[in-house]
Amino acid sequence: GENVEQHPSTLSVQEGDSAVIKCTYSDSASNYFPWYKQELGKRPQLIIDIRSNVGEKKDQRIAVTLNKTAKHFSLHITETQPEDSAVYFCAAMDTGRRALTFGSGTRLQVQP
Amino acid sequence: NAGVTQTPKFRILKIGQSMTLQCTQDMNHNYMYWYRQDPGMGLKLIYYSVGAGITDKGEVPNGYNVSRSTTEDFPLRLELAAPSQTSVYFCASRQDSTDTQYFGPGTRLTVL
Repeated sequence: GENVEQHPSTLSVQEGDSAVIKCTYSDSASNYFPWYKQELGKRPQLIIDIRSNVGEKKDQRIAVTLNKTAKHFSLHITETQPEDSAVYFCAAMDTGRRALTFGSGTRLQVQP
Repeated sequence: NAGVTQTPKFRILKIGQSMTLQCTQDMNHNYMYWYRQDPGMGLKLIYYSVGAGITDKGEVPNGYNVSRSTTEDFPLRLELAAPSQTSVYFCASRQDSTDTQYFGPGTRLTVL
């Protein structure tokens, strides 16, 4: 089955700096890669996603890049703000079950 | 639309008790999923369903059962609760056209 590795597990940045979170996946058949933000005690919220036929996608301060050959994808947050502090999860969707396999999460702390 | 709803929000069980976690969606999605999230970890797939009457196991199905008699409802049954089932349980449904998964608010279960 699919296996998703996520790094780093914790990330602390100063307000205004950029943050980068990286994930690798194992199943070359996976074709959909969402990123979720989860605040304490809340449900995961989709912040951006990318399909395997696209190399990069951007939405305001958030961007995701995908390298299919290397089987890795990354989340980039620019001009970080304290409200960006949360746990971020990457995931990959297999083509069979259409279910998500999640990474272990990155706790992002943005220092004011 | 209410989206995906789950009940109860919280529950404490004694070892050996049983309970059913309820999940309902009003978006007419065919695919539905149950995930569990242990503290500090990503979500793991318990069971999924591709439509009414069709269910299948995910990564961590032991100790759980599901049924899907209607498109809207996908209850998760715990038989003989064990401390290892202490977790937060999220139900989700998938929009066919976009692959986007919508999560319910979660059920926090403690087994003592």
